[in-house]
Amino acid sequence: NAGVTQTPKFQVLKTGQSMTLQCAQDMNHNSMYWYRQDPGMGLRLIYYSASEGTTDKGEVPNGYNVSRLNKREFSLRLESAAPSQTSVYFCASSKDITTGELFFGEGSRLTVL
Amino acid sequence: GENVEQHPSTLSVQEGDSAVIKCTYSDSASNYFPWYKQELGKRPQLIIDIRSNVGEKKDQRIAVTLNKTAKHFSLHITETQPEDSAVYFCAASLENTGFQKLVFGTGTRLLVSP
Repeated sequence: NAGVTQTPKFQVLKTGQSMTLQCAQDMNHNSMYWYRQDPGMGLRLIYYSASEGTTDKGEVPNGYNVSRLNKREFSLRLESAAPSQTSVYFCASSKDITTGELFFGEGSRLTVL
Repeated sequence: GENVEQHPSTLSVQEGDSAVIKCTYSDSASNYFPWYKQELGKRPQLIIDIRSNVGEKKDQRIAVTLNKTAKHFSLHITETQPEDSAVYFCAASLENTGFQKLVFGTGTRLLVSP
């Protein structure tokens, strides 16, 4: 039982390049989330998916897109990376949008030069 | 919307001492207050939570207290151990409105020295 798995763990991009962060959970959770963590800023929600087939913007969605590929997988795409997107990204899941607790992945450290 | 402030940003204690981390929230309707612990290079994990129908909750060496009138809640760790060293995040929301409404504090880095 791996929980929440995200890849890659580390990535360096040049400004303007694109990339996709992958996330998968094996807990049969309905809801999934993408957060970014910046020094002194705590965890901020980028996008979330309350259930398979739905996605919604969180607090800081600009510059990102998401896809809920199926119940297990939720990907985050940066179409044209900017230095301001240098951050640690966490995927999380929960049983559903109002129940249980958030289970986080191990994080992906992204640097945009 | 909700705003959560967390203090201190860094806390250093000696092993065996107690540590207290405080958070204040702005929305008086909030009634769900979880705490997450993030060890260095690891994922955040829920360690304890409290709901507004309870003033205090304990789990072994950790406890959380809630003062709804003052709109603040605190994490108390007694008999600290080196493995308690981590970043601790508080959060607040109105329960059952969804985790997308959960607002996190900026984190407290706790260092427990042997």
